[in-house]
Amino acid sequence: EPEVTQTPSHQVTQMGQEVILRCVPISNHLYFYWYRQILGQKVEFLVSFYNNEISEKSEIFDDQFSVERPDGSNFTLKIRSTKLEDSAMYFCASSEPRGNYNEQFFGPGTRLTVL
Amino acid sequence: RKEVEQDPGPFNVPEGATVAFNCTYSNSASQSFFWYRQDCRKEPKLLMSVYSSGNEDGRFTAQLNRASQYISLLIRDSKLSDSATYLCVVTNNDYKLSFGAGTTVTVRA
Repeated sequence: EPEVTQTPSHQVTQMGQEVILRCVPISNHLYFYWYRQILGQKVEFLVSFYNNEISEKSEIFDDQFSVERPDGSNFTLKIRSTKLEDSAMYFCASSEPRGNYNEQFFGPGTRLTVL
Repeated sequence: RKEVEQDPGPFNVPEGATVAFNCTYSNSASQSFFWYRQDCRKEPKLLMSVYSSGNEDGRFTAQLNRASQYISLLIRDSKLSDSATYLCVVTNNDYKLSFGAGTTVTVRA
């Protein structure tokens, strides 16, 4: 069964450093997403991406964040200058919507720890 | 008011029992509804989509009540492996998922 993959599984970084989180969506999906989950809190939407551009982003997704699809398979999330409060699980998801239904499939996540 | 609200539980039930819980959503324009399950420190996994007429998938039954803006999930004949956090998820015309904080279910032997 096809699945979304993410690397690395765990990233530790110093405050102020740049990090790039990587995702390989399901191959025939055209919509891609990033979500985050701070420990003990709910999953929060960050950004959606379609046709090589951002289709929607949340208030969390400020100028420190960017996304890119550098080739035909990878989808990346970059945080330019990490803050302590960026520590969270970051989940990538992909989907191929059918009408109103958009079943999104999640990768295993990257645990980001900012020290 | 939160966009999606769930009873956090926990619901502690013996194997074989039936457990049911609800979720309410605030936006009457919401279009699509899902239940995901999340195991500790893992990714959300799609359990089932929720359709207007209600739907069943094996031991799981989901209902949607648009008038009262709530979604329910019922698990019959609970198994130990059903222990997880169940996430209620809602979308509008956009494709972003809005998650509830989850309902924790623990099935004991």
